[in-house]
Amino acid sequence: GAGVSQSPRYKVAKRGQDVALRCDPISGHVSLFWYQQALGQGPEFLTYFQNEAQLDKSGLPSDRFFAERPEGSVSTLKIQRTQQEDSAVYLCASSLRSGTGANEQYFGPGTRLTVT
Amino acid sequence: GDSVTQMEGPVTLSEEAFLTINCTYTATGYPSLFWYVQYPGEGLQLLLKATKADDKGSNKGFEATYRKETTSFHLEKGSVQVSDSAVYFCALRPQGAQKLVFGQGTRLTINP
Repeated sequence: GAGVSQSPRYKVAKRGQDVALRCDPISGHVSLFWYQQALGQGPEFLTYFQNEAQLDKSGLPSDRFFAERPEGSVSTLKIQRTQQEDSAVYLCASSLRSGTGANEQYFGPGTRLTVT
Repeated sequence: GDSVTQMEGPVTLSEEAFLTINCTYTATGYPSLFWYVQYPGEGLQLLLKATKADDKGSNKGFEATYRKETTSFHLEKGSVQVSDSAVYFCALRPQGAQKLVFGQGTRLTINP
């Protein structure tokens, strides 16, 4: 199928290492979102792109977190100097349009990051 | 700020029982409301949605009505099946925003 894909599915990092998480949205989708889901919790918003423009990064927890979408398609979430509290599932979602209203967000399977 | 509060789980029911999962929200203006479902080993999927007061969203036998007066969007199903076992998330999209704000999720287990 042509759903949202994420890689890697699982990542183990030692504390202090940098990691890069990739998201391939559904082809043609304008909007792309990153969420962080801690164990037993609901997803929490990190950042939002409309094409290549990062329009909202209010959810990024610190300046160690950085996201980009340089060509308006694939996106990468980078976490520098990982800490144990960064351990979570990182979800990517895309939607066809950028207008408000009930534009459905389609979620990928997530990347489970474990920082040891 | 905007927030969603869901009924705490886990919830365990027998097959064919009636299901209610409570969801209330805090938001300014008129958010859009959603229920997402996460089946074991799968990603989040949209189950149903409602965009304005008194709208009823429905899908796969599940229903939820957008109640502005009680700021609620409770999920209901008349007769659950084993295959409904999953984690259910209530969410809102604030008016004028793109992001979703999720509740903490409710794990539902249906026993045969």
